[in-house]
Amino acid sequence: AQKVTQAQTEISVVEKEDVTLDCVYETRDTTYYLFWYKQPPSGELVFLIRRNSFDEQNEISGRYSWNFQKSTSSFNFTITASQVVDSAVYFCALSEARTGNQFYFGTGTSLTVIP
Amino acid sequence: DAGVIQSPRHEVTEMGQEVTLRCKPISGHDYLFWYRQTMMRGLELLIYFNNNVPIDDSGMPEDRFSAKMPNASFSTLKIQPSEPRDSAVYFCASSLWLAGGFEQYFGPGTRLTVT
Repeated sequence: AQKVTQAQTEISVVEKEDVTLDCVYETRDTTYYLFWYKQPPSGELVFLIRRNSFDEQNEISGRYSWNFQKSTSSFNFTITASQVVDSAVYFCALSEARTGNQFYFGTGTSLTVIP
Repeated sequence: DAGVIQSPRHEVTEMGQEVTLRCKPISGHDYLFWYRQTMMRGLELLIYFNNNVPIDDSGMPEDRFSAKMPNASFSTLKIQPSEPRDSAVYFCASSLWLAGGFEQYFGPGTRLTVT
C-alpha cells in the first residue's frame, strides 16, 4: 500500500494565483516525520520543510505555507501568489521512527505556473 | 558549505559495460542513501548506509548492482554489467540523525544512459 499519496499528478495555474498541493499519508507509528521537496527542471531535489508528528503547528515561510492535520493524515502545501520560478515537481515524503531513516516518497505533483 | 557531490553528472555507456557512480556526502552526516529515479517508477530507494555500514539493500534491483562505503566521505554504486533498463537518474543523499528528526540532502544526480 502506498504510504504517501499525492493524488494531483499535474497542476497548472496562472501566475499570482494561489495553489495547494495535497499530500495524504498512512502510518501506524505515533512518531513520524513528514517532508516536502522541490525538483525544478534542472533536476536537483531541494529540501523545503520537515514536520514532526508531535508538532501540528502550521508553518509559513514567505509565500509557502504548510497545513499539517493528523485527524485527516494530511500535510498540504500552499504557494501563495505563485511565480514562474515555482514551476517544478513537488514531492511529499514520510519517515517512520519504527523503520529508521527510510523515506517513503509520493509520486510527485508537477506544477506549472503560466506567466 | 559544500553539499552532496556526485560524479559524473552524465554517463553514457554501452550495454554490458561496467558503470561506477560516486558520491561524497555532506561532512559529518552519518547516513547515506542511493536512489534511482525514472518516469515509470518514480523515486526508488536502492540502499542506505549508517556510519558506513549497509543497513538495508532490499531495493537493489539485482546482483548486477553493488554499493560500497569504504569511509565516511565516499560511496560508490556500481552496475556490472549495465543494461538499457538501468537508464535513469541516480541520486545520492545524506542526512544527520538528530533527536528532533532529520532530512535528507540530495546531490545533483547522475544521469545514466545505457545504449
